[in-house]
Amino acid sequence: EPEVTQTPSHQVTQMGQEVILRCVPISNHLYFYWYRQILGQKVEFLVSFYNNEISEKSEIFDDQFSVERPDGSNFTLKIRSTKLEDSAMYFCASSADPHETQYFGPGTRLLVL
Amino acid sequence: DAKTTQPPSMDCAEGRAANLPCNHSTISGNEYVYWYRQIHSQGPQYIIHGLKNNETNEMASLIITEDRKSSTLILPHATLRDTAVYYCIVHAGSGGGADGLTFGKGTHLIIQP
Repeated sequence: EPEVTQTPSHQVTQMGQEVILRCVPISNHLYFYWYRQILGQKVEFLVSFYNNEISEKSEIFDDQFSVERPDGSNFTLKIRSTKLEDSAMYFCASSADPHETQYFGPGTRLLVL
Repeated sequence: DAKTTQPPSMDCAEGRAANLPCNHSTISGNEYVYWYRQIHSQGPQYIIHGLKNNETNEMASLIITEDRKSSTLILPHATLRDTAVYYCIVHAGSGGGADGLTFGKGTHLIIQP
């Protein structure tokens, strides 16, 4: 069964460093999403992406974040200058249509020291 | 904020049916009811969704009241592996952009041996 994959599974970085989280969505899906979950808190929507541009974004998705689809398979989330409060699980999801089921990847655990 | 209300926790004996309730009294006509679950800090796993008719798949059944203001997820024969946080989410089936899902705190279902 097709699934969303994410790399790395864990990432440790120093405050102020840039990180890139990678996702491979399900192959025939056209809509891609990033969510985050701070430890012990709710899953929060960050951004959705379609046709090489951002479709929707939340207030959390500020100028330090960017998303890109650098090739036909990968979808990335870049955090330019990480802060301690960026420590969280980051989940990628994809869907065939904006109103169809979103399928989630296993997540990347980011720890900012 | 989430448009759904769920009990924070529930227990169920292994082998019995687990019935998880959800209130969504402000649901709009074009919004579907989705259920996901999250085991530990893994990515949310899609379970089932419906608009107004009852639905069943290999994982669960979804019962939606006639007025659509509430629903119940039924796991027919719960196993220990069904211990997880279960999220009830309403999500538009048409219109607008690729909106993110709005997660609440969900119901922590604990299956007792």
